[in-house]
Amino acid sequence: GESVGLHLPTLSVQEGDNSIINCAYSNSASDYFIWYKQESGKGPQFIIDIRSNMDKRQGQRVTVLLNKTVKHLSLQIAATQPGDSAVYFCAEILNDYKLSFGAGTTVTVRA
Amino acid sequence: DAGVIQSPRHEVTEMGQEVTLRCKPISGHNSLFWYRQTMMRGLELLIYFNNNVPIDDSGMPEDRFSAKMPNASFSTLKIQPSEPRDSAVYFCASTPGTTIGNTIYFGEGSWLTVV
Repeated sequence: GESVGLHLPTLSVQEGDNSIINCAYSNSASDYFIWYKQESGKGPQFIIDIRSNMDKRQGQRVTVLLNKTVKHLSLQIAATQPGDSAVYFCAEILNDYKLSFGAGTTVTVRA
Repeated sequence: DAGVIQSPRHEVTEMGQEVTLRCKPISGHNSLFWYRQTMMRGLELLIYFNNNVPIDDSGMPEDRFSAKMPNASFSTLKIQPSEPRDSAVYFCASTPGTTIGNTIYFGEGSWLTVV
């Protein structure tokens, strides 16, 4: 499953499939980006980060891609599991301390 | 590690009443943040403290909102008087240093409803 920009805030994906969540950021000077996962009733939780001198970074079942030319980030989740159901936010860091969050994408995993 | 602790978890109050939200950051963390989350505006930074000193309060909506950090282990966010549009989830977060990186930890939030 794939979401497009911030105008499609929900993504439904079959368990076991790969998920792709997209995000556009606004500040071309931003040099550090983070993806967060927020489960129902909880605060945002760090997933993976990437600096602007990279275009790809991999973690456990997750990959973040950064395209600075078009100011676009994506988060890929491999073999999506029910526990991946949550809202996912991208965030850019401003002034070293300020997280500027995107609108978020709600991911629902179908069994 | 107990994580960032917020209280109350849920509060329902009447318009015009004073609301005080509390936060205990992770021990040893010297930066503390208050964020607000609403459906309309998403997650917004309200105020940032470093070593108990407010560094950036540009996100505080108006004079009805105030925040304090009297010591390294405690912070409050106060709304007086509260209004229905203040209904939101308020998150406290802390980090060991001044640059947040991947070391920022959020509490579970205080869910405020003003009726």
